[in-house]
Amino acid sequence: GNSVTQMEGPVTLSEEAFLTINCTYTATGYPSLFWYVQYPGEGLQLLLKATKADDKGSNKGFEATYRKETTSFHLEKGSVQVSDSAVYFCALNLSGGYQKVTFGIGTKLQVIP
Amino acid sequence: DAGVTQSPTHLIKTRGQQVTLRCSPKSGHDTVSWYQQALGQGPQFIFQYYEEEERQRGNFPDRFSGHQFPNYSSELNVNALLLGDSALYLCASSTPGTRGGEQYFGPGTRLTVT
Repeated sequence: GNSVTQMEGPVTLSEEAFLTINCTYTATGYPSLFWYVQYPGEGLQLLLKATKADDKGSNKGFEATYRKETTSFHLEKGSVQVSDSAVYFCALNLSGGYQKVTFGIGTKLQVIP
Repeated sequence: DAGVTQSPTHLIKTRGQQVTLRCSPKSGHDTVSWYQQALGQGPQFIFQYYEEEERQRGNFPDRFSGHQFPNYSSELNVNALLLGDSALYLCASSTPGTRGGEQYFGPGTRLTVT
């Protein structure tokens, strides 16, 4: 079946540090890949997506590249801010009519001033 | 443009009771999916509704049931509540065939079973 594995947190960084959150996936077919972010007490927000191999998704300074050869979709940001503190979920779904989303366990990021 | 809305925000129930959660999809979306997010975990897919029918179901018992109305809004019903049903219940809406197939999530309903 489909699955997503991401590094467990928490990840604690100082403001302006470089961020990497690793994510790998297993899927039958050709999935679309996503990063969702969940701020404390809130629902999920789509952060970025990539729909095919070598696509790069980007938003708010975050980037992730769809690497089919390594089945990975690592999230990066060059300089984190305190406001980036949240839980980040890597996710996939298969293109086509059915759009069940499979999530990773989530990585909690804490950015300290 | 209204996003996905859910009600109520919080709910406290007793074991054995029944609960109904509600969701209105984002404007223009006709598909609603429900997820359960236990504390410290990623969301787990419960089921999805399209054209008022359950189209796909995750690994959840029959105590979990749902409904979709002609205006695309949806309800999630859980019978015979267990302590383990305590979680954040998320509703997501989408439109089939959207390139990438992303789903838009509501703020969730926090259910506590005592």
